Amino acid sequence: GAVVSQHPSWVICKSGTSVKIECRSLDFQATTMFWYRQFPKQSLMLMATSNEGSKATYEQGVEKDKFLINHASLTLSTLTVTSAHPEDSSFYICSARVTENQPQHFGDGTRLSIL
Amino acid sequence: GQNIDQPTEMTATEGAIVQINCTYQTSGFNGLFWYQQHAGEAPTFLSYNVLDGLEEKGRFSSFLSRSKGYSYLLLKELQMKDSASYLCAVLDSNYQLIWGAGTKLIIKP
Repeated sequence: GAVVSQHPSWVICKSGTSVKIECRSLDFQATTMFWYRQFPKQSLMLMATSNEGSKATYEQGVEKDKFLINHASLTLSTLTVTSAHPEDSSFYICSARVTENQPQHFGDGTRLSIL
Repeated sequence: GQNIDQPTEMTATEGAIVQINCTYQTSGFNGLFWYQQHAGEAPTFLSYNVLDGLEEKGRFSSFLSRSKGYSYLLLKELQMKDSASYLCAVLDSNYQLIWGAGTKLIIKP
């Protein structure tokens, strides 16, 4: 149980392109989903917290107009990196949880490379 | 401020036992999680402790002392595949997960 599917696994695209990443909870309803970014050999960095049907809460320093998050249903959240640039290249990981005191379950991550 | 401390790196021998410590200072406490993260992969959930004591799950056990702000993850019968980073994370009073920087565990034959 508690499977989270994240797509795509890899994206390589040109600078200026917008990239959409999907995160789905397959066998449970996720009240809250989270988006993280991780640079090589660094810690997980929380970008934003998303509750179904409401606006995402972004962490300090994360541009909400650049990283658009939509959480339209209890099983799907999307992250769109708009007009991506090489400095946006990173490993993006989503997670989902049912209730506040339940563990977060992670998707497999998306490796984004902007040329 | 909120703070979670765990060693940066540890080395152990295949077949041995290793204990990874985690100390925390957070605004409130609603539980502590341990995750495993292999290089280049996403974290996977290992354990959750909310009451004091030891939780055993196969080769892995996790211990919590709330009064000391302390937890450890115990790995027995180490295998090469256990080489990974181990992340300690605490759920604070607002149910926000505060992450440690992770402990990189290197297993040698």
